Amino acid sequence: GESVGLHLPTLSVQEGDNSIINCAYSNSASDYFIWYKQESGKGPQFIIDIRSNMDKRQGQRVTVLLNKTVKHLSLQIAATQPGDSAVYFCAENIGNQGGKLIFGQGTELSVKP
Amino acid sequence: ETGVTQSPTHLIKTRGQQVTLRCSSQSGHNTVSWYQQALGQGPQFIFQYYREEENGRGNFPPRFSGLQFPNYSSELNVNALELDDSALYLCASSWDRAGTQYFGPGTRLTVL
Repeated sequence: GESVGLHLPTLSVQEGDNSIINCAYSNSASDYFIWYKQESGKGPQFIIDIRSNMDKRQGQRVTVLLNKTVKHLSLQIAATQPGDSAVYFCAENIGNQGGKLIFGQGTELSVKP
Repeated sequence: ETGVTQSPTHLIKTRGQQVTLRCSSQSGHNTVSWYQQALGQGPQFIFQYYREEENGRGNFPPRFSGLQFPNYSSELNVNALELDDSALYLCASSWDRAGTQYFGPGTRLTVL
């Protein structure tokens, strides 16, 4: 069935290093992808999004890459900081299903000082 | 902060009871989506409301129902609560049905 999955449930990095969080999706009809950051006790916070007609999009310290051939999405965080520690979710929107977002289980990012 | 607010923050109910959760959307947004997030899981889509009409529903039973008001705020109602309904309930607002969804802080529901 439809699913968005993450390759690694946890990721531990040193402060200042770059982080890469990966995500696989299974529905080729998906046309919009979003990365959210969720800190403990809070709601998901929008980080960056990308549409299926793009391969790459950059924000402040973050880059999202989309590979439609292998149905893979990644989030790169440059110069990771302790404040980046959180659970990161990728979410998928299937174009013919309105606003329904399908979330993966999440990757917990831990930044060591 | 997104400008999306939810109330209450926490709620404890017993099995069989009914609960109403509330969400105020961000200014300028006409769409509200509701999600259930179990501990350690990603959010699961319950339904979406656009201009006071339901616009899509996830795999949740009819005892989960909702409303959207003319000011675009929304309510989620759950009847006949079950233990498995214990979760974080999130609402997200967007400027349109397929627009970027911005989440509120959630309501933590515990069913005993």
